[in-house]
Amino acid sequence: EVQLVESGGGLVKRGGSLRLSCAASGFTFTNAWMTWVRQAPGKGLEWVGRIKSQNDGETRDYGAAVKGRFTVSRDDSENTLYLHMNSLKTEDTAVYYCATGVYRGDVRPTGLPPPKYLQHWGQGTLVIVSS
Amino acid sequence: DIVMTQSPDSLAASLGERATIDCKSSQSILYNSNNKNYLAWYQQKPGQPPKLLIYWASTRESGVPNRFTGSGSGTDFTLTISSLQAEDVAVYYCQQYYRPPHTFGQGTKLEIK
Repeated sequence: EVQLVESGGGLVKRGGSLRLSCAASGFTFTNAWMTWVRQAPGKGLEWVGRIKSQNDGETRDYGAAVKGRFTVSRDDSENTLYLHMNSLKTEDTAVYYCATGVYRGDVRPTGLPPPKYLQHWGQGTLVIVSS
Repeated sequence: DIVMTQSPDSLAASLGERATIDCKSSQSILYNSNNKNYLAWYQQKPGQPPKLLIYWASTRESGVPNRFTGSGSGTDFTLTISSLQAEDVAVYYCQQYYRPPHTFGQGTKLEIK
């Protein structure tokens, strides 16, 4: 069973930094492309960033609101995804989810990237940025 | 960035009735080389993470009831719930995964009339 467990959320002052973690299990983490999505209180979903697998170059992409301030990284030896958040703003207050897509049977077909749609989500971790 | 726009923002329908949510992308998300539309639909209930319902615009995720149907191509897409059940009360989001950032629509809140 795929499990994603986020941690590291909390209260931080504007301009501060925080690192979120997402512990993954139940699938081959090294092959997966991992995504962070956030949701401000009472608002919709916002795509934060994604990191590809090491075999796919560990390419990172970011949403416009966080580009230059947030960094996605991964530790394949620990099956853990990270979100490093710097220069935090009050508008970064949100629940942060990690998410991924995994092929059935956890077998990636030759020549195909991992799924980009998000089948599996964690429960989220709340970040509150105070002024 | 590709902008995803859903309509309506909220919708109330009776039990057993059909409910329809539209999603429009600011540019085509149909990849010509594989003829696939890079669009997903998610359902989110209060206090829960989103749940994938549909991917490739029309492929139902395993375990999703067949009353949920995705359709459309290019820039215009629709999620249809054929016979509304009480447990379908939720917010629904479309998302394009054609090009990063993989933007979401603003969400459509579905309630029972």
